[in-house]
Amino acid sequence: ETGVTQSPTHLIKTRGQQVTLRCSSQSGHNTVSWYQQALGQGPQFIFQYYREEENGRGNFPPRFSGLQFPNYSSELNVNALELDDSALYLCASSSEGSHSGYTFGSGTRLTIV
Amino acid sequence: AQSVTQPDIHITVSEGASLELRCNYSYGATPYLFWYVQSPGQGLQLLLKYFSGDTLVQGIKGFEAEFKRSQSSFNLRKPSVHWSDAAEYFCAVAITSGTYKYIFGTGTRLKVLA
Repeated sequence: ETGVTQSPTHLIKTRGQQVTLRCSSQSGHNTVSWYQQALGQGPQFIFQYYREEENGRGNFPPRFSGLQFPNYSSELNVNALELDDSALYLCASSSEGSHSGYTFGSGTRLTIV
Repeated sequence: AQSVTQPDIHITVSEGASLELRCNYSYGATPYLFWYVQSPGQGLQLLLKYFSGDTLVQGIKGFEAEFKRSQSSFNLRKPSVHWSDAAEYFCAVAITSGTYKYIFGTGTRLKVLA
């Protein structure tokens, strides 16, 4: 079975720009969650998508938004980028109703200059 | 409030020595607990998980963890560390009421001396 794949692996943007990060979930998983991991910190929950709808959100402003597609892949969009948005963005997939845990992708390293 | 505490930011051990990484959690319900490992610039790899049953759980790469409800702890152990174990280790608790999500600790960076 394929794991979770994320693209791109690295990205550099300037303040005020917009960015889209992509994630393909593991085969058989219908739920996608996004986490932000700042340097030296643990991952922080951004939001989760199930059946193409957001069904949970962490403490992140509305300029962080997402999409989930019928094939369960997902996008994370961030508008009006700020320097503090520099982080590793991790996508994780799981099966709704299952507590077996996430499968994480390798992440996208976003640098804001 | 739900939280995970990893009191040791950095730990250094010699190759072949034993290892224990500490994790304490705060969560009102029955906890689902996880340990992940992260190599530099990489994503998270699951080492082991605890849901119920035997409080001593075995994971990959020779790791084990023990759940102690009375101490709200889930410490990770390995009897003999290998140089390839150098990485950052994260403990997490799953929040199962409402949106399923993890609360992570801030991580422990392990350095292994040859």
